[in-house]
Amino acid sequence: EIVLTQSPDTLSLSPGERATLSCRASQSFRSSYLAWHQQKPGQAPRLLIFGASRRASGIPDRFSGVGSGTDLTLTISRVEPEDSAIYYCQQYGSSVQWTFGQGTKVEIK
Amino acid sequence: QVHLVESGGALVKPGGSLRLFCETSGFNFNDYYMSWIRQAPGKGLEWLSTISSSGSSISYADSVKGRFSISRDNAKSSLYLQMNSLRVEDTALYYCARGYPTEFWGQGTLVTVSS
Repeated sequence: EIVLTQSPDTLSLSPGERATLSCRASQSFRSSYLAWHQQKPGQAPRLLIFGASRRASGIPDRFSGVGSGTDLTLTISRVEPEDSAIYYCQQYGSSVQWTFGQGTKVEIK
Repeated sequence: QVHLVESGGALVKPGGSLRLFCETSGFNFNDYYMSWIRQAPGKGLEWLSTISSSGSSISYADSVKGRFSISRDNAKSSLYLQMNSLRVEDTALYYCARGYPTEFWGQGTLVTVSS
């Protein structure tokens, strides 16, 4: 099983600042099978990024993903108040166990 | 419009069984991988199981392997999760989700395991 470790646990930012969220895998895997999800309180998660860098439908371009091997990053170029949420990375692939990271909480001051 | 509606959650005693249902609409169910994912109160997301569009490929998390069984009925556009030998630590909100990766999620059904 691939273990995903996210950092930091919490990120506190002011509107307009840049957010950088990290997701590190316990072993190398195809980054094309990495996704990022956003979850706001009381809501189901929403897919932001898939294939490590492809934005899902309707996701603003201030969200971007990069990475390969074992290190992947989600960047929010200029955070807005509605970006306050918990962000999870997820690895997926055929015939393997999928896993989620433990989440990074983004707080907007 | 894509809809995923989970049901079947309940209060059950440790060692008991429960069957969860996910009714879907608004898309061609036959074309999509489907998954079950859960979230314990105040905790993160835990992937449980995924089934391929035809049902021929299934995978499980170690935490539920041998106790939970995923299945689907493409004629009814429905996904199921049979849960046996339930434990207190299985208490969670259970989501069904569409896609590869999970691109659409239902709102979840609550399972509480307690004596």
